[in-house]
Amino acid sequence: AQSVTQPDIHITVSEGASLELRCNYSYGATPYLFWYVQSPGQGLQLLLKYFSGDTLVQGIKGFEAEFKRSQSSFNLRKPSVHWSDAAEYFCAVTGTYKYIFGTGTRLKVLA
Amino acid sequence: DGGITQSPKYLFRKEGQNVTLSCEQNLNHDAMYWYRQDPGQGLRLIYYSQIVNDFQKGDIAEGYSVSREKKESFPLTVTSAQKNPTAFYLCASSTTTGYQETQYFGPGTRLLVL
Repeated sequence: AQSVTQPDIHITVSEGASLELRCNYSYGATPYLFWYVQSPGQGLQLLLKYFSGDTLVQGIKGFEAEFKRSQSSFNLRKPSVHWSDAAEYFCAVTGTYKYIFGTGTRLKVLA
Repeated sequence: DGGITQSPKYLFRKEGQNVTLSCEQNLNHDAMYWYRQDPGQGLRLIYYSQIVNDFQKGDIAEGYSVSREKKESFPLTVTSAQKNPTAFYLCASSTTTGYQETQYFGPGTRLLVL
């Protein structure tokens, strides 16, 4: 069955530190992968997506993600976190018509 | 600016009452979706529509109904049959329902039960 796992429910980092949010997927065919960010009480904003080609994908707000087929992973990274990055982050993989979302990782940033 | 609007931002439902959540998009997208978000459970698909006058059940359609009379609009009704409606509801749209399509989300409606 198709699934997405975000193993970290909460992550806390200091401002200026690097960040990596983990995402593992299970999907039989070629996956199409997304990362979204959600601020409290808001909708989801697309950070980046991977369809094919270069496995290192650049997104908005200085985020990047690397697709590793051998590890079934699509981890999100940022070299230096800003206080405004505090939010919840969702990884998703697409099926035929619908997205399958992970349960999210809530990021807290310490000043 | 193109985008998706949802209204109201907060909605209160009394026992036995049906309530309707509005979703409008001006992106000229054919496909629209409704998701329910509960803490720690990610997003779950309620209904989706690939084209006007057509819609399909998602994973948790029981207690909900939708209509798609116009391309721009995809309202969701939470009926009295939905026994646990308290959640954050998100509407999304995409050009089509193909698996390479990017979904764009509205700001959400929080539904609370009185």
